[in-house]
Amino acid sequence: AQSVSQHNHHVILSEAASLELGCNYSYGGTVNLFWYVQYPGQHLQLLLKYFSGDPLVKGIKGFEAEFIKSKFSFNLRKPSVQWSDTAEYFCAVIGLEGGKLIFGQGTELSVKP
Amino acid sequence: SAVISQKPSRDICQRGTSLTIQCQVDSQVTMMFWYRQQPGQSLTLIATANQGSEATYESGFVIDKFPISRPNLTFSTLTVSNMSPEDSSIYLCSVEDPTGFFYGYTFGSGTRLTVV
Repeated sequence: AQSVSQHNHHVILSEAASLELGCNYSYGGTVNLFWYVQYPGQHLQLLLKYFSGDPLVKGIKGFEAEFIKSKFSFNLRKPSVQWSDTAEYFCAVIGLEGGKLIFGQGTELSVKP
Repeated sequence: SAVISQKPSRDICQRGTSLTIQCQVDSQVTMMFWYRQQPGQSLTLIATANQGSEATYESGFVIDKFPISRPNLTFSTLTVSNMSPEDSSIYLCSVEDPTGFFYGYTFGSGTRLTVV
């Protein structure tokens, strides 16, 4: 069965610190991968996606993620976080062979000014 | 990208009653999805709604509890029936969105339901 696991439940960083949020998935076929962000009181927004090609993908607001197929991972990174990055981050996966968009448990990021 | 309007944005309901949530998209889409986000939890897919056919429900969700309508390619409703406090959640609709800069899945702003 398709599943997604995010390693960190809550991450607390100071401004300018580097960020890496882990995401691993389980699926036997080809996948499309997504990171979504949910700012406090707002709806889900797409940060970035991977479909094919260069495994290092760049998204909005300085975020990037690297797809490592051999590790079934799609970790989210940002070199220098800002207070405005405080939000909940969700990794999501869809299997191309009739799969569904499945979400990880989410990681709450708190950035201290 | 596609714009989704979801109504109501929030509601407080008595246990035993039902609430119908509406999802309107500004473009025609083949599939619409309904998710539930319980307090402090991630999103769980309830069902997939295709126009002209019965919705497909995920494990743990049944049509009697969450009936779905999909009368056309831009609209869907989800009803939460015979509600109990355990149904208190945010309910979101989503569509596969090939029109935006980011091909992905767009989500509505959600319906925050509290059952008392």
